[in-house]
Amino acid sequence: KNQVEQSPQSLIILEGKNCTLQCNYTVSPFSNLRWYKQDTGRGPVSLTIMTFSENTKSNGRYTATLDADTKQSSLHITASQLSDSASYICVVIMNYGGSQGNLIFGKGTKLSVKP
Amino acid sequence: NAGVMQNPRHLVRRRGQEARLRCSPMKGHSHVYWYRQLPEEGLKFMVYLQKENIIDESGMPKERFSAEFPKEGPSILRIQQVVRGDSAAYFCASSPLAPTGELFFGEGSRLTVL
Repeated sequence: KNQVEQSPQSLIILEGKNCTLQCNYTVSPFSNLRWYKQDTGRGPVSLTIMTFSENTKSNGRYTATLDADTKQSSLHITASQLSDSASYICVVIMNYGGSQGNLIFGKGTKLSVKP
Repeated sequence: NAGVMQNPRHLVRRRGQEARLRCSPMKGHSHVYWYRQLPEEGLKFMVYLQKENIIDESGMPKERFSAEFPKEGPSILRIQQVVRGDSAAYFCASSPLAPTGELFFGEGSRLTVL
């Protein structure tokens, strides 16, 4: 069964600290993996897209890694800010044409950054 | 270039009424997706449409729910005879490319059924 599991479910950190969010998937065939940030009451916004051949990709203070062999991805946030408080969603895209029910969403990790 | 526009942002309906949610994709995007999100839950795929065509509706309940994306105008998600369990946030996303193009999400429509 194609699934995306994220951990932890929720996380509280102090402002300025680093954190790492995990995403494990059992999706095949794999096309790419995306991390989205969803602020409370808002729509998801893309942080990064990773293809099969990419191991690491950075977007400012966000760094995503992908290990396609173990089917694991992580999102590392450096020097957290209060505005980083949000849900972070891992999405794995299956690689087959035609049908578009091929985006498998994780349930997200809810991050709270405290002053 | 305006983003994906959804309206209404908030909608309250009584049981048995109809709800219509509208989504205008980004300019130049001909692929629209609808997702449903319950509180503290992840996004669940409902339906994927291209202009005038439903490509995949495997995530949409067979009864009471319908979607369209006409040649002119926004995509519409229609829920007939709403029940309390339909209360959720409904997100629309658009993409210029399929099947693996970047998705751009709207801010969502929050339906409350009394």
